[in-house]
Amino acid sequence: AQSVAQPEDQVNVAEGNPLTVKCTYSVSGNPYLFWYVQYPNRGLQFLLKYITGDNLVKGSYGFEAEFNKSQTSFHLKKPSALVSDSALYFCAVRVDSSYKLIFGSGTRLLVRP
Amino acid sequence: DARVTQTPRHKVTEMGQEVTMRCQPILGHNTVFWYRQTMMQGLELLAYFRNRAPLDDSGMPKDRFSAEMPDATLATLKIQPSEPRDSAVYFCASGPAGTGPVRVNTGELFFGEGSRLTVL
Repeated sequence: AQSVAQPEDQVNVAEGNPLTVKCTYSVSGNPYLFWYVQYPNRGLQFLLKYITGDNLVKGSYGFEAEFNKSQTSFHLKKPSALVSDSALYFCAVRVDSSYKLIFGSGTRLLVRP
Repeated sequence: DARVTQTPRHKVTEMGQEVTMRCQPILGHNTVFWYRQTMMQGLELLAYFRNRAPLDDSGMPKDRFSAEMPDATLATLKIQPSEPRDSAVYFCASGPAGTGPVRVNTGELFFGEGSRLTVL
């Protein structure tokens, strides 16, 4: 079965420091991987996706993610965190050709000033 | 600025009452999803439509939940009768038809702001 795991419930980082939010996946076939962000009382917003090609994917708000096939990981990164990056982050995998997205449990990112 | 619109944003009701949530997908999108978000279960996929046809509602309790798309501009999620355990935020999301000869959608979804349901 297709699944994603986000091993950290919360990540704390100081403003200006680099951040990493971890995601591992389990799929049969080639993975389509996504990151979404959710701000309080809002819907999810698309950040970036990996379909094929370059393993380093760049997305919105300065975020990027690195696809690692051997480690089945798709970690979200940002070189310099902002307080405004504090939110809930979801990793997701597309299920076959059905276009369904299966989401991880979410990781709360807290960036302190 | 195209967006997915959900109504109501908040709903408080009593156990046993019928609840209907509505969603207007982005014009031109042909896939519509209903997700439920709770603290305990996270994001759960309830139902999924493509070109208005229901393709998968395996995540939905069939005895009380129903999802429909009466036309391309409206998707509904109905709970009858509602129970306290249905309290959650319900999200609608839509996706574009995709590009290329087989019109493959690469999976980017656009979410509404959600309908927060409280069943007392």
